[in-house]
Amino acid sequence: SAVISQKPSRDICQRGTSLTIQCQVDSQVTMMFWYRQQPGQSLTLIATANQGSEATYESGFVIDKFPISRPNLTFSTLTVSNMSPEDSSIYLCSVLRGDEQYFGPGTRLTVT
Amino acid sequence: LAKTTQPISMDSYEGQEVNITCSHNNIATNDYITWYQQFPSQGPRFIIQGYKTKVTNEVASLFIPADRKSSTLSLPRVSLSDTAVYYCLVGDIGYNFNKFYFGSGTKLNVKP
Repeated sequence: SAVISQKPSRDICQRGTSLTIQCQVDSQVTMMFWYRQQPGQSLTLIATANQGSEATYESGFVIDKFPISRPNLTFSTLTVSNMSPEDSSIYLCSVLRGDEQYFGPGTRLTVT
Repeated sequence: LAKTTQPISMDSYEGQEVNITCSHNNIATNDYITWYQQFPSQGPRFIIQGYKTKVTNEVASLFIPADRKSSTLSLPRVSLSDTAVYYCLVGDIGYNFNKFYFGSGTKLNVKP
């Protein structure tokens, strides 16, 4: 299994500001993923972050809005920039280990 | 990418067996079928994974017919704590693993 922690667990932010979410894994992994889950909805993949390369963004998500860092094999950050109320969601990081994908507990973001 | 279709919701009673079926008509030869469980305010948790026929572990069974265009997650003797959203995903978990996309999921409500 994989132990994944995220910081912060939740935050309330003002419109126009930015928030950086941290994801820490208990051991080295190659592939990390960032998802968004809006209230009552399924998970939507934002981007794939592999160490040593630029993140790959899904359709509808851009680097200027969601910059991602992947400085090493156990850590990644996702920044939600210039926030609006529509960005209120749970943001989850995920890693692939073996045949299984493991998820962090999520960061609940509320934008006012 | 194979798209999955699941019932939006299901109701059951404690002690019953629950079967949740997922359709994936466009599944590719190298795709595996994976099921996840998600409780409120938590990240998804891996339940079971299979390629064909039947797979069983300590929590569930997965039935996959020969054409692999559908799969059925079977939860024996559910309890109230099995109330959650269940997601079916298909994707190549091997060398060509890229990413997983989540469908709408099935919200299972177990009643006393």
